[in-house]
Amino acid sequence: GAVVSQHPSRVICKSGTSVKIECRSLDFQATTMFWYRQFPKQSLMLMATSNEGSKATYEQGVEKDKFLINHASLTLSTLTVTSAHPEDSSFYICSARSPLGGYTFGSGTRLTVV
Amino acid sequence: AQKVTQAQTEISVVEKEDVTLDCVYETRDTTYYLFWYKQPPSGELVFLIRRNSFDEQNEISGRYSWNFQKSTSSFNFTITASQVVDSAVYFCALSEEYSGGGADGLTFGKGTHLIIQP
Repeated sequence: GAVVSQHPSRVICKSGTSVKIECRSLDFQATTMFWYRQFPKQSLMLMATSNEGSKATYEQGVEKDKFLINHASLTLSTLTVTSAHPEDSSFYICSARSPLGGYTFGSGTRLTVV
Repeated sequence: AQKVTQAQTEISVVEKEDVTLDCVYETRDTTYYLFWYKQPPSGELVFLIRRNSFDEQNEISGRYSWNFQKSTSSFNFTITASQVVDSAVYFCALSEEYSGGGADGLTFGKGTHLIIQP
């Protein structure tokens, strides 16, 4: 139980285009989801907290107009990287608070902007 | 603000050796949660353990054990009789709890890359 599905697992896009990443809780409802970014050989950094039915809370230094988060239902949160540039290339991973306690993570999305 | 320090960037041991990964944390909250995750090359995060701040009991799960000491703000992880499949990056993480009972996102340490050589 408490599975989070994240898609796509890999995406390559051209500079200037937008990319949407989906995070779904499959067998539970997630009122809160979290989005992290991980650069190669570095740690995971919390980008934003996504709350169902309300605006996301962004961490300091994260551009909310660039990383659009939508959490329109209790099972789906999306992260859209708008006007992507090569420096946005990274591993993005979502998580949700698990009804079993703790956090459940998606499998991550490796974004490459060329 | 909370902080997690994993001072060991990389550890390399020979298979069957015991290895301990260190984790030191900082928080102003009295209620918090500590976690360990394993990240293999695929990138997926594998949950290993969650411990709340009121539970200082050490835990053993097979070859894995954890030592939580509030006095030194440490939550160390030991792998006994290491195996090649244990090779991965291991992250220690901290979550503080809002006064309303919700939980914050996780603050991760920088990770320790564990290499188990055959």
